[in-house]
Amino acid sequence: QLQLQESGPGLVKPSETLSLTCSVSGVSITTSDYWGWIRQPPGKGLEWIASIYHTGVRRYNPSLKSRVTMSVDTFEHKFSLTLTSLIAADTAVYYCARMTVGGIFNVWGQGALVAVSS
Amino acid sequence: EIVMTQSPATLSVSPGDKATLSCRASQTIDTDLAWYQQKPGQAPRLLIYHSSTRASGVAARFSGSGSGTEFTLTISSLQSEDCAVYYCQQYHYWPPLTFGGGTNVEI
Repeated sequence: QLQLQESGPGLVKPSETLSLTCSVSGVSITTSDYWGWIRQPPGKGLEWIASIYHTGVRRYNPSLKSRVTMSVDTFEHKFSLTLTSLIAADTAVYYCARMTVGGIFNVWGQGALVAVSS
Repeated sequence: EIVMTQSPATLSVSPGDKATLSCRASQTIDTDLAWYQQKPGQAPRLLIYHSSTRASGVAARFSGSGSGTEFTLTISSLQSEDCAVYYCQQYHYWPPLTFGGGTNVEI
């Protein structure tokens, strides 16, 4: 059974860089699916950040594209998100998820809360 | 970018009632629409995709309909465990994938 687990710092300072990792277990990361990141500010809705295919094909939300990088490590069965130049508005729960090629998020991790504060 | 608008923001219902949630797309998305359920403190869970196909393990009281720009999620007989926020999401034209603002179903 597929399981996803986010890991990363709980607190990051403004202007710094956030790095998050999602560990994939139960299925191969090289399946015919994308892997994605979605975030949710406290008390607010969902925002798609980025998605990656195991071959390295990436898709980014244009609103975040200048600050986001996604990568995949097929040997370690992980994929990662880097978000630069953090501001308070980046405070959110960050979810990793499996995404079908069509864009449907069918399995989600439990989420990791990241606070941006000095 | 396709904007998704959900209504109402909050829906107050009684157990056993039928709940009807709406989602509107700013342009046609055929049937490329998914619904997610998010309970407090939990990650979202996929309920419906392709507008009307229930995901694995989803109870039959959940049904979806619509095409083009107007979509509906119906909970036929609300149960207490259905209290949650429900989000719609389009995947017809991306990037970006976009979600609606959510409907909070409360009892």
